[in-house]
Order: sequence, then structure tokens, then C-alpha cells
Amino acid sequence: SQQGEEDPQALSIQEGENATMNCSYKTSINNLQWYRQNSGRGLVHLILIRSNEREKHSGRLRVTLDTSKKSSSLLITASRAADTASYFCATDAGADGLTFGKGTHLIIQP
Amino acid sequence: DTEVTQTPKHLVMGMTNKKSLKCEQHMGHRAMYWYKQKAKKPPELMFVYSYEKLSINESVPSRFSPECPNSSLLNLHLHALQPEDSALYLCASSQGPVQETQYFGPGTRLLVL
Repeated sequence: SQQGEEDPQALSIQEGENATMNCSYKTSINNLQWYRQNSGRGLVHLILIRSNEREKHSGRLRVTLDTSKKSSSLLITASRAADTASYFCATDAGADGLTFGKGTHLIIQP
Repeated sequence: DTEVTQTPKHLVMGMTNKKSLKCEQHMGHRAMYWYKQKAKKPPELMFVYSYEKLSINESVPSRFSPECPNSSLLNLHLHALQPEDSALYLCASSQGPVQETQYFGPGTRLLVL
């Protein structure tokens, strides 16, 4: 079953704008991770936020986690054409494998 | 070396064929994973190996058979697959248990005719 649900499913913005994606999940977690996937290739890890953290930054990425609402958001600032990709949140929920959300397909228009 | 490699990149096989997918990492990671990803869908966990022992098998059909010959290698043996098994097969590894960053290979795109 899908633990994470991202919204929006697709997002198209102009280069230079900020992109925000949201993820909701259903059960308690140890951490939540965000991954990027370019067009049918392998996933690249972006950032991991632990359940006792509320916000984390990495370069142009900002992730928030609200465990009371079981939700997380990924903000990409000053977007670039190279940011065009699918973005997935993933949770562990105590299991031995990650459970991925449905993903947000982000398109950056030049 | 922070790379997970997978071979082959592409594979076309008939329903009566036997083939194997290979995955290798040299990061000293002790957990390795197989995921299946259909087009426009998220990856779905198939198998988890922890310290070279199979710890998770997500009710995958027996026509998929994983093997972990050593801590750096992970194979997925395929036999009598169905057309609906066509997908991108992703291998990943992590330092320890799943509560860690997973590093993914580029995947093998499989087409079953």
C-alpha cells in the first residue's frame, strides 16, 4: 500500500520560480526522505528528515515535516531547467524497505 | 565510490527464457534492495537483503528469485516471466537498515514478449 501521497501530481513553473511539493503519509515514521528521478532512470537521494526534526535545508532545497499532520513539504527555490524530474517522498514506517509516494512530476519551463 | 551499478541496462526476453539481472556496490553497504517500477508509478519494494540474508520478500511471485552471493553483489534471476512483468528494475543499497539513505542504480529496463 502507498504510504506517501504527493501533491500536486504534476507541476509546471517558469525557470527561476519556486516549486513546492507536498507529501502526506498514514502511519508513524522514523524518518522521511525525498528522492528525485530523471526520466526513467535511477533515483537520487535529496534529503532525509528525521521524525524529531521540523525543518532541514540543503542548498536550494528546504524540507519541512509536521508529524502531527503526517505531512512533509519540499521547496525548491530559484528553479532551473535541470530540476525537471519526478520527485518522490519515501517513508520507512519501521519496515525494512522504503515505501514511496506516487510522486510529483515537475516541469521547469525555460 | 558512491555508485551502484546494474547490468544489463536493457533486456528483452521471451516468456520461456531464463535471465539474470546484476547489481554491484563497493560502498561497504550491508543492505541491498530490489524494487520494481512500472511507467509513471513509484518504485515498489520486492526484496531486501540485510547482511547477505533475505529479510524481506514482499510476496513476489516465485518466477523472481533473488540471490546475494556476497556483500557487494545482488542478483535477480528471472524465469517464465509474463508480459506484465515488463518494468524498470532498480537495485539500491544502504549502510545499514532502511532508516538510512538508499543509493540507487540506474536500473534495468525489462521487456517481456
